[in-house]
Amino acid sequence: QKEVEQDPGPLSVPEGAIVSLNCTYSNSAFQYFMWYRQYSRKGPELLMYTYSSGNKEDGRFTAQVDKSSKYISLFIRDSQPSDSATYLCAMINNAGNNRKLIWGLGTSLAVNP
Amino acid sequence: IAGITQAPTSQILAAGRRMTLRCTQDMRHNAMYWYRQDLGLGLRLIHYSNTAGTTGKGEVPDGYSVSRANTDDFPLTLASAVPSQTSVYFCASSAGASDTQYFGPGTRLTVL
Repeated sequence: QKEVEQDPGPLSVPEGAIVSLNCTYSNSAFQYFMWYRQYSRKGPELLMYTYSSGNKEDGRFTAQVDKSSKYISLFIRDSQPSDSATYLCAMINNAGNNRKLIWGLGTSLAVNP
Repeated sequence: IAGITQAPTSQILAAGRRMTLRCTQDMRHNAMYWYRQDLGLGLRLIHYSNTAGTTGKGEVPDGYSVSRANTDDFPLTLASAVPSQTSVYFCASSAGASDTQYFGPGTRLTVL
């Protein structure tokens, strides 16, 4: 079993829809959780960064962490064609010396006008 | 403009040839990373450096080497390229080992 599971999609939604992207993980020691967005033929860019459980909102984007269920989500409200990209979750165990990001495979999202 | 630059943008290479991918950052970040990204396999860490003068092996280090002579530069060398090293290579940096990583634009490498 991978440490981080993420459905690769593809996910296709109409413009204006609410999008829910999710990752599950197995290591309860993960403390920091990130969502990156990657446009085609570009490098990943950080979208959201959260610590431990709870919600964090930034404009149309909300990141949610549920540590009890080992489940994180990214919600996109009023989705736009410019949101079409691959979304990668990443998380890190900040204990000890082996502090490496563990990545999901990414979910491909297409928002259709 | 602050950030990470990678060179070349793309390269086609004959198997057996030596190749160095360049990465430079101007954010004075301590940590730097090399990843490869392949369809269905996601981002996989090749090598990393937590600070200038130190390097470490990631998930898929075989066939690759790195050096970190100074803070800004982190070249990745393929000593003798093989077709399985065909991939998109991303360099990244972060202020500290557990901080947010910032990525370069990537190098598309094809080994024939």
